[in-house]
Amino acid sequence: QKEVEQNSGPLSVPEGAIASLNCTYSDRGSQSFFWYRQYSGKSPELIMFIYSNGDKEDGRFTAQLNKASQYVSLLIRDSQPSDSATYLCAVRGSSASKIIFGSGTRLSIRP
Amino acid sequence: EADIYQTPRYLVIGTGKKITLECSQTMGHDKMYWYQQDPGMELHLIHYSYGVNSTEKGDLSSESTVSRIRTEHFPLTLESARPSHTSQYLCASSGGFLGNTIYFGEGSWLTVV
Repeated sequence: QKEVEQNSGPLSVPEGAIASLNCTYSDRGSQSFFWYRQYSGKSPELIMFIYSNGDKEDGRFTAQLNKASQYVSLLIRDSQPSDSATYLCAVRGSSASKIIFGSGTRLSIRP
Repeated sequence: EADIYQTPRYLVIGTGKKITLECSQTMGHDKMYWYQQDPGMELHLIHYSYGVNSTEKGDLSSESTVSRIRTEHFPLTLESARPSHTSQYLCASSGGFLGNTIYFGEGSWLTVV
């Protein structure tokens, strides 16, 4: 079992709809959770991070964390074609400072 | 916004040559990382450092080596490049106020012919 798991996709969502990306992790003591966006041929860029259970909103993006169920999700409202990218979930585990990345979910927003 | 710089951005080099990929950050971050990523594939951690004179190998075995003599500088060296080393190499750093958030450089695309 991978430490951080994501559905590889591609996830196809119509423009204007809500895109929902999910991530599960195996280390129950994990403390910090991050979402990165990576366009093809570019480096990952941080979208948002979350530390506490519940929701955290930033513009069209909402991160949701459920530590009991060991999953973290990212919702993108009013999806735009420019949101088409690979989304990486990253988790800092309980043991050290190392951050583990998932393999990413490819999101495609169709006009 | 992170200030982390990689050079060269693109490099085409012949088999057997020695190369060094440079990475510098101006944020005073104590932790630095090198990731390798093939197009459309996942990130693989190949080296990391938690401070000056501290380097560790990552999860993916790599023939490259790194050094950390100064906080801001974390170069990666391949003594003898091979076509299998063709990939994108991403340098990253973390630290400071947000502690564990990793920020990436723009990447170095290496092609070995």
